[in-house]
Amino acid sequence: DTGVSQDPRHKITKRGQNVTFRCDPISEHNRLYWYRQTLGQGPEFLTYFQNEAQLEKSRLLSDRFSAERPKGSFSTLEIQRTEQGDSAMYLCASSGGANMKLFFGSGTQLSVL
Amino acid sequence: AQSVTQLDSQVPVFEEAPVELRCNYSSSVSVYLFWYVQYPNQGLQLLLKYLSGSTLVESINGFEAEFNKSQTSFHLRKPSVHISDTAEYFCAVSDLRGSARQLTFGSGTQLTVLP
Repeated sequence: DTGVSQDPRHKITKRGQNVTFRCDPISEHNRLYWYRQTLGQGPEFLTYFQNEAQLEKSRLLSDRFSAERPKGSFSTLEIQRTEQGDSAMYLCASSGGANMKLFFGSGTQLSVL
Repeated sequence: AQSVTQLDSQVPVFEEAPVELRCNYSSSVSVYLFWYVQYPNQGLQLLLKYLSGSTLVESINGFEAEFNKSQTSFHLRKPSVHISDTAEYFCAVSDLRGSARQLTFGSGTQLTVLP
């Protein structure tokens, strides 16, 4: 169990650019979640995958955001035409079986200039 | 829809003193309740959870939380804190419907333990 890994740890981009983040969940976990956390706030749910199927999306996930989990393993989160309001920590989590415990990665800190 | 309120954004406390971090939730359905902890420069980690059964749940490092349905609360307590308990603590709820098991988090409480 190597934990949930996220790449990159930090990303600085200019407004209007596209960015993509990667999440590698714990290998046997079939559920994968993306959350966003801004300063002084708790994480907010963005989207959820069970295996390769994206089963739920938050209203926070505008059409500039897209997430995939093509083979039911790693996942990517892409933000197109980034805006300064997208600056946040993007967290990935995974879980498996009947366990309610989510295992979180260390996150990708996005700064949009 | 559900929500979580953590009224105290900052809680400073001296080492070996007791502490209580407050959490109240709102939900129209039954919920699961969680406390997650985020140490500096680390990811969120589950501290303890209430799913069913005994309303008092404990963690391995001396924290406990009690589910109070009538007061819709899940306050976190520790009788004697250590410097190493300094971290941000998040209360979270998940309702029992559906399969997403997504969590709704509070805004967090920064616990700072002073020497």
